[in-house]
Amino acid sequence: DGGITQSPKYLFRKEGQNVTLSCEQNLNHDAMYWYRQDPGQGLRLIYYSQIVNDFQKGDIAEGYSVSREKKESFPLTVTSAQKNPTAFYLCASSELTYGYTFGSGTRLTVV
Amino acid sequence: DAKTTQPTSMDCAEGRAANLPCNHSTISGNEYVYWYRQIHSQGPQYIIHGLKNNETNEMASLIITEDRKSSTLILPHATLRDTAVYYCIVRVPHTGTASKLTFGTGTRLQVTL
Repeated sequence: DGGITQSPKYLFRKEGQNVTLSCEQNLNHDAMYWYRQDPGQGLRLIYYSQIVNDFQKGDIAEGYSVSREKKESFPLTVTSAQKNPTAFYLCASSELTYGYTFGSGTRLTVV
Repeated sequence: DAKTTQPTSMDCAEGRAANLPCNHSTISGNEYVYWYRQIHSQGPQYIIHGLKNNETNEMASLIITEDRKSSTLILPHATLRDTAVYYCIVRVPHTGTASKLTFGTGTRLQVTL
């Protein structure tokens, strides 16, 4: 079945460490996105990519980095510069006509 | 970007229709209305979308007012599994194929026995 796979489901990070969240899709979608969700809040856009080797900052890009070397993959790195990284991270992809397809999310906790 | 306003929470009895309203009074002519729902600790799930006409699929119906300033998502026979946060979103036009969606805090629908 086509879809988006995010891994790991739960991730723990020590303060000062970088950590990379994986996102893979087999939907052949060009566009991919990363969102962050805090408890009781809506989703906020971190980065998005329209095509391979191209990506743009969203509303809260500071402290995050991404790459898009393959159409299927859009990993997100949470750097030590992100002051409050504990959150639920969601990856999504889309086509022009239809809506988004989301992954099941990664819950990151700083310990 | 057009913003949306939704009630914070709603209750619905199982088997009854759930009508979830959304105001988007600043929507522009080429912006679509999308509805998603999010069950606790999962990724949001697409439900339905529309531009100006009413739409229906196997999950729900979407009623958009003639002036497009508001819409209603209808779940015709709500079940306990429909308990979730429902997001009404206006699609931001963007170049290429990427189209950013702006999520608010949504409506928390509680379906009860």
